[in-house]
Amino acid sequence: GENVEQHPSTLSVQEGDSAVIKCTYSDSASNYFPWYKQELGKGPQLIIDIRSNVGEKKDQRIAVTLNKTAKHFSLHITETQPEDSAVYFCAASMRELTFGKGITLSVRP
Amino acid sequence: DTGVSQDPRHKITKRGQNVTFRCDPISEHNRLYWYRQTLGQGPEFLTYFQNEAQLEKSRLLSDRFSAERPKGSFSTLEIQRTEQGDSAMYLCASSLIQGTYTFGSGTRLTVV
Repeated sequence: GENVEQHPSTLSVQEGDSAVIKCTYSDSASNYFPWYKQELGKGPQLIIDIRSNVGEKKDQRIAVTLNKTAKHFSLHITETQPEDSAVYFCAASMRELTFGKGITLSVRP
Repeated sequence: DTGVSQDPRHKITKRGQNVTFRCDPISEHNRLYWYRQTLGQGPEFLTYFQNEAQLEKSRLLSDRFSAERPKGSFSTLEIQRTEQGDSAMYLCASSLIQGTYTFGSGTRLTVV
């Protein structure tokens, strides 16, 4: 089955700086790669996703890049704000989603 | 329709008791998923339905777990003879086929 690895496990950045979170996946058949943000006591919330026929996608301060050859994808957050502090999960899917272990992002004011 | 609803939000039960959780998906979504999340981990797939048919079950779904989606709308997840290792957040999500997943806020189960 699919195996998704996410690194680093924690990341601390200064407000206004950029944050980059990387994930690798194992199953070359996976074709859908979403990123979720989870705040304490809440379910995961989709923030951006990308399909395997696209290399990059942007939505305001958030972008995702996909390298199918290397089987890795990355989340880029620019101009970070304190409210970006949360746990972020990457996932990969051909049928059901397989999640990474998550990264705790802390944005220092 | 405001999203995926899960009930209850919290459940504390004694070891050995049975518990049942409910998920109401977004009405037009024909796929419904159950995931389990333990502290410090990502959600782990348990099972999914397309309409009323249960199409896949994870090996994590032991014989004590059963899920139903009788009319292709809401779903229930039952755990029989609960064990302390069942303590986790149980998440439900729904989607259209090939669509994005929308997760509910989860049911936090504590087995004492």
